[in-house]
Amino acid sequence: AQSVTQPDIHITVSEGASLELRCNYSYGATPYLFWYVQSPGQGLQLLLKYFSGDTLVQGIKGFEAEFKRSQSSFNLRKPSVHWSDAAEYFCAVGPLTGANNLFFGTGTRLTVIP
Amino acid sequence: DVKVTQSSRYLVKRTGEKVFLECVQDMDHENMFWYRQDPGLGLRLIYFSYDVKMKEKGDIPEGYSVSREKKERFSLILESASTNQTSMYLCASSLQTGDTQYFGPGTRLTVL
Repeated sequence: AQSVTQPDIHITVSEGASLELRCNYSYGATPYLFWYVQSPGQGLQLLLKYFSGDTLVQGIKGFEAEFKRSQSSFNLRKPSVHWSDAAEYFCAVGPLTGANNLFFGTGTRLTVIP
Repeated sequence: DVKVTQSSRYLVKRTGEKVFLECVQDMDHENMFWYRQDPGLGLRLIYFSYDVKMKEKGDIPEGYSVSREKKERFSLILESASTNQTSMYLCASSLQTGDTQYFGPGTRLTVL
């Protein structure tokens, strides 16, 4: 069965520090992978996605993620965090065929301290 | 840019009321989705639709129904609201299977 695991419920980093949010998935084939961000009281905004090709994906707001097939991981990174990055981050995996829905992780809440 | 709008940002209803949540997308997307979001549980799919008048159950359809009479509009219906349906409801749309989903701002529903 498909599943997505975000092992960190809450992460706190200092402004200017680097960030890595972890995402592991379980899927029968190469999945479509997504990272979304949700600011308080808002809907979800797409940060980046991986469908195929280069395993290092660049997204908006200076974020990047790397697909590692051998580790079934798709970790999100940012070299220098800004206070405005404080939000909740969701990793999601999509099927190649069949059902249309995405499977979401339970989210990681990021707090940024000055 | 894709725009997905939801009829209300906040809604307060009483137990037993019939509740309608409306979602409209303006990009001619085939697929539309309703999720609920609860702390610690992430997003859970309630229903999705891949065409007008077509619908499929998601992971947690109990207590909900949906309607898609026009391509751009997807409604979520709580036939008889209960307190355990207090949640954030998110609508999304996508062009094709497995494609990027675009989300609305959400409706925070409180059932008293």
